[in-house]
Amino acid sequence: GQNIDQPTEMTATEGAIVQINCTYQTSGFNGLFWYQQHAGEAPTFLSYNVLDGLEEKGRFSSFLSRSKGYSYLLLKELQMKDSASYLCAVRGKTGANNLFFGTGTRLTVIP
Amino acid sequence: DAMVIQNPRYQVTQFGKPVTLSCSQTLNHNVMYWYQQKSSQAPKLLFHYYDKDFNNEADTPDNFQSRRPNTSFCFLDIRSPGLGDAAMYLCATSGRVSENEKLFFGSGTQLSVL
Repeated sequence: GQNIDQPTEMTATEGAIVQINCTYQTSGFNGLFWYQQHAGEAPTFLSYNVLDGLEEKGRFSSFLSRSKGYSYLLLKELQMKDSASYLCAVRGKTGANNLFFGTGTRLTVIP
Repeated sequence: DAMVIQNPRYQVTQFGKPVTLSCSQTLNHNVMYWYQQKSSQAPKLLFHYYDKDFNNEADTPDNFQSRRPNTSFCFLDIRSPGLGDAAMYLCATSGRVSENEKLFFGSGTQLSVL
């Protein structure tokens, strides 16, 4: 089966750094994705990791440890517009595009 | 801009009355997906098409059907909606079957069942 865990909610201050963790237990692993979803809108792609280590993209970075079944999304210099849900998703099977999503972490950025 | 378009944005139907949700894409992607997302829950894959090849998830209820008449369009038919089917329905596309291929999502249709 597939199990993906994320904290339900987080709050952070504008300008600060926040780390959103994701742990997973899946039958097979072929990559981990992070998506951002504002309320009532479509998820939008943020990052992809398939090898261990850190991927940096502007204010957003994502880390993966396959041996630990663990990833985090790091958001720097937080802005009010970063208030959204952040979804961790794992691709389990080779050759299949199906993504299994976590329930998401709702991040609230406060002034 | 190339994109994934879902209509309508909000859909209200009555208990047991069939409803169809539509999705179109201008990305010319081979793969199209339908996800169901209930409030505060993870998006759950219902089925996907690779070209015309239909792939149903094992736990998708028979009440849910899908059609893909051509590359650009995909429909989700709910034959007899129940109260538990009220959710956001997300359509997504991807270009090919590859590990790093990301999904592009439409803005979703929020379905209410009265």
